[in-house]
Amino acid sequence: ELKVEQNPLFLSMQEGKNYTIYCNYSTTSDRLYWYRQDPGKSLESLFVLLSNGAVKQEGRLMASLDTKARLSTLHITAAVHDLSATYFCAVESGSRLTFGEGTQLTVNP
Amino acid sequence: GAVVSQHPSRVICKSGTSVKIECRSLDFQATTMFWYRQFPKQSLMLMATSNEGSKATYEQGVEKDKFLINHASLTLSTLTVTSAHPEDSSFYICSAHWTEVDEQYFGPGTRLTVT
Repeated sequence: ELKVEQNPLFLSMQEGKNYTIYCNYSTTSDRLYWYRQDPGKSLESLFVLLSNGAVKQEGRLMASLDTKARLSTLHITAAVHDLSATYFCAVESGSRLTFGEGTQLTVNP
Repeated sequence: GAVVSQHPSRVICKSGTSVKIECRSLDFQATTMFWYRQFPKQSLMLMATSNEGSKATYEQGVEKDKFLINHASLTLSTLTVTSAHPEDSSFYICSAHWTEVDEQYFGPGTRLTVT
């Protein structure tokens, strides 16, 4: 059974600071996704990572994938309040997605 | 492109009644759709995989007689929660798999409250 673990589950940080969210998974996978969810809303796709060493960046967010370590990271650079949300990683295996527990990020002024 | 809609966005029903939720892919065809449930402050849990023209595949622990899934066309899947109870109150999210680009697209979700 595929297990996906994120840490931390809660993250409170100050504006302007950097931080990393980690996503570990237990078995080999096809692809890894990062999503953002705002309260009361559905998922917004951020990144899809396909292969070992993949790195993608959009604005203040950068995601990477190490398939050998079964680890993905989501790095936040110079956080701003607008990044406050819950972030999920999800691992795909045969079109089925297994989600991590989510990281609730709060960026304080 | 790649828009998925859900209807209704919010529904309140009384305990013991049934409620139907629709998931539509608006600008692509989806042979496969997925239904997820999300309780407050928790992650998304896959309930079932809906395949057009065939029976849905349910995840372990999900009652197929309580959560009826119909995928009658390439653009529509429905989830019917039968004999709903307060513990079924949740946020239900569907996704549709666009075969040509091999990607899943999520709907906006349906907030179900059972009183």
